[in-house]
Amino acid sequence: DVVMTQTPVSLPVSLGGQASISCRSSQSLVHSNGNTYLHWYLQKPGQSPQLLIYRVSNRFSGVPDRFSGSGSGTDFTLKISRVEPEDLGDYYCLQSTHFPYTFGAGTKLELK
Amino acid sequence: EVQLQESGPGLVKPSQSLSLTCSVTGYSITSNYWGWIRKFPGNKMEWMGYISYSGSTSYNPSLKSRISITRDTSKNQFFLQLNSVTTEDTATYYCARDYSSWGQGVMVTVSS
Repeated sequence: DVVMTQTPVSLPVSLGGQASISCRSSQSLVHSNGNTYLHWYLQKPGQSPQLLIYRVSNRFSGVPDRFSGSGSGTDFTLKISRVEPEDLGDYYCLQSTHFPYTFGAGTKLELK
Repeated sequence: EVQLQESGPGLVKPSQSLSLTCSVTGYSITSNYWGWIRKFPGNKMEWMGYISYSGSTSYNPSLKSRISITRDTSKNQFFLQLNSVTTEDTATYYCARDYSSWGQGVMVTVSS
C-alpha cells in the first residue's frame, strides 16, 4: 500500500495567519493516465470530511481561494492563508491513484 | 446536489455481520464510483472498497474476504456488509461518491 506521511500532527496558528501542511507519498502518485489523484479534506467536529482540493491543486466548489494546493510526484502541500475560525479542524490528504486508496494520519489545525 | 445518508445498526456483536445502507439522492449510482470509508477511534482512516457505475467492485486487501459491497439501482442505494466483525471494526462508517462527496457517517460499535 502507498504510505502517506502527513506533517505536522498539530499546527497551532493565529487567526489571520498562514498554515502549511505536507503530505509525502511512498511512491509516485502520477496515474498511468497522467493525472495525479491527491486530495485534501477538512473535517470539523461532528461533521464528515469535506473536500477542499482535488487532484493536487483544484479547489472544490465553494472552497475559498485562501486554500491552495501544490506539489507533484510524491511531495504535496496544502496552504491556508488568512486563517479564519471556520478553518480549524482536522485536515487529511488522500491518494486515489493506487488502490487501496490511503489517507494521511491527519493534522489538527488549532488556535495558538 | 448529491446527498448521501448512511443507515444501519449502531451496535453489532463480535463474530456477527455489520450491514449498512447508503441512500443516495440527487445523483444516479449508475454513474461514477461509490465507496465505503471508515474512521477509527484515534482518527486513522481506511478506504474499505467501492462499487462502480457498472456494478464492479474493488476491496481493500486488508479486509480480505470479509467485505461485500452491493447495490440496488432501483432504490439508488448501495450496501456494505462486513462479516466476522471484531472490536477492531468499531469505527464511524462513511459512504461517499468517489472522493468528492461524503455522507454524515454512522458510528458502529462492536461489543458483546
